[in-house]
Amino acid sequence: NAGVMQNPRHLVRRRGQEARLRCSPMKGHSHVYWYRQLPEEGLKFMVYLQKENIIDESGMPKERFSAEFPKEGPSILRIQQVVRGDSAAYFCASSPGGKDSPLHFGNGTRLTVT
Amino acid sequence: EDQVTQSPEALRLQEGESSSLNCSYTVSGLRGLFWYRQDPGKGPEFLFTLYSAGEEKEKERLKATLTKKESFLHITAPKPEDSATYLCAVQGTSGSRLTFGEGTQLTVNP
Repeated sequence: NAGVMQNPRHLVRRRGQEARLRCSPMKGHSHVYWYRQLPEEGLKFMVYLQKENIIDESGMPKERFSAEFPKEGPSILRIQQVVRGDSAAYFCASSPGGKDSPLHFGNGTRLTVT
Repeated sequence: EDQVTQSPEALRLQEGESSSLNCSYTVSGLRGLFWYRQDPGKGPEFLFTLYSAGEEKEKERLKATLTKKESFLHITAPKPEDSATYLCAVQGTSGSRLTFGEGTQLTVNP
């Protein structure tokens, strides 16, 4: 049973470009979460999605960031017009939902903005 | 707002030297407290979920305990392969997301 798959593992973008991060949840999981980890800092919640719905986006910056989880295909975190401060590791986690369902994390996408 | 504070920030142990990591939390109704292990360049790996004060869970050399205000991760006779950052997170009744502490970086020297 494959785990949470994220790609690319590493992404380099120039300031002003767009970054697209992909996440395929574990089989049978319909809940997806995105977290950001800045150097020397903890994991910060960004957004929680279920298929075709954004449930909680309270941790997402209001501008330039968007997320989707379509009926078919992976979840996408999109960052438009990237700035140096967007450089971080972005982790996706999934769960099947319910009380006894911890989040299972992928190995992250490390975004570097030059 | 849910908050998690972990201590110490970093801990160095000799192989076989037992110790404990602390996680203090405030949450508006606890649904669960989670412990994860994170190795460099990897995502967090799930270890335990605790739901109510007094609960304990064990896995190999690790034992997690929970009170109404904090959780402890006890490491008995650690080995170098236990070196990692250990993360604590809480899930409140207000939502499904987890709020993480900044972690304890554990180094076990042979």
